[in-house]
Amino acid sequence: NAGVTQTPKFQVLKTGQSMTLQCAQDMNHEYMSWYRQDPGMGLRLIHYSVGAGITDQGEVPNGYNVSRSTTEDFPLRLLSAAPSQTSVYFCASSYSRMLGEKLFFGSGTQLSVL
Amino acid sequence: AQTVTQSQPEMSVQEAETVTLSCTYDTSENNYYLFWYKQPPSRQMILVIRQEAYKQQNATENRFSVNFQKAAKSFSLKISDSQLGDTAMYFCAFMDPMNRDDKIIFGKGTRLHILP
Repeated sequence: NAGVTQTPKFQVLKTGQSMTLQCAQDMNHEYMSWYRQDPGMGLRLIHYSVGAGITDQGEVPNGYNVSRSTTEDFPLRLLSAAPSQTSVYFCASSYSRMLGEKLFFGSGTQLSVL
Repeated sequence: AQTVTQSQPEMSVQEAETVTLSCTYDTSENNYYLFWYKQPPSRQMILVIRQEAYKQQNATENRFSVNFQKAAKSFSLKISDSQLGDTAMYFCAFMDPMNRDDKIIFGKGTRLHILP
């Protein structure tokens, strides 16, 4: 199984550019989420989804959009990149939050906004 | 709001020693899940151990065990016979499965160095 596939691994953007971070899982997981990791801040939730067609905001949603048109895919869109969005981004999924199932993480995207 | 606190930003221990990482959390719920995740320099997040709050028995996974004190809202991770490969960032996480508006919450992490 591929698990959670996250692309790209590295990206450099200029301020104001837009881009999409891709995330796909092949485990038929209901729950998918995006986190950003910053030094000294741990992992902070950006957006999450409990199933196809359902998305919700996390702790730090501003400047990001998501959609969940299929069970497998959960892309994260940066609308107009800002230096404050320089971070490591992780996509994560789990079979069921209700059952307290563990999160499966992608390998992360190192994003730099100049 | 539910919170997770890891009070030790960084720790160092000698190889083969035992080390304990602390984690406290705040919730008014009775049923929830707690996790420890490891993030080595490769950046990959790996589940170390999982605890169900309604189980009194502390979870163990080989050299890793937890001390779950529900009344004190404490969830510490003990690593026995530490190895160089245990060098990593460790995150404590909390999940309330019944509250749709609450998320999987992570602490800020403890960076652990195992010294040869």
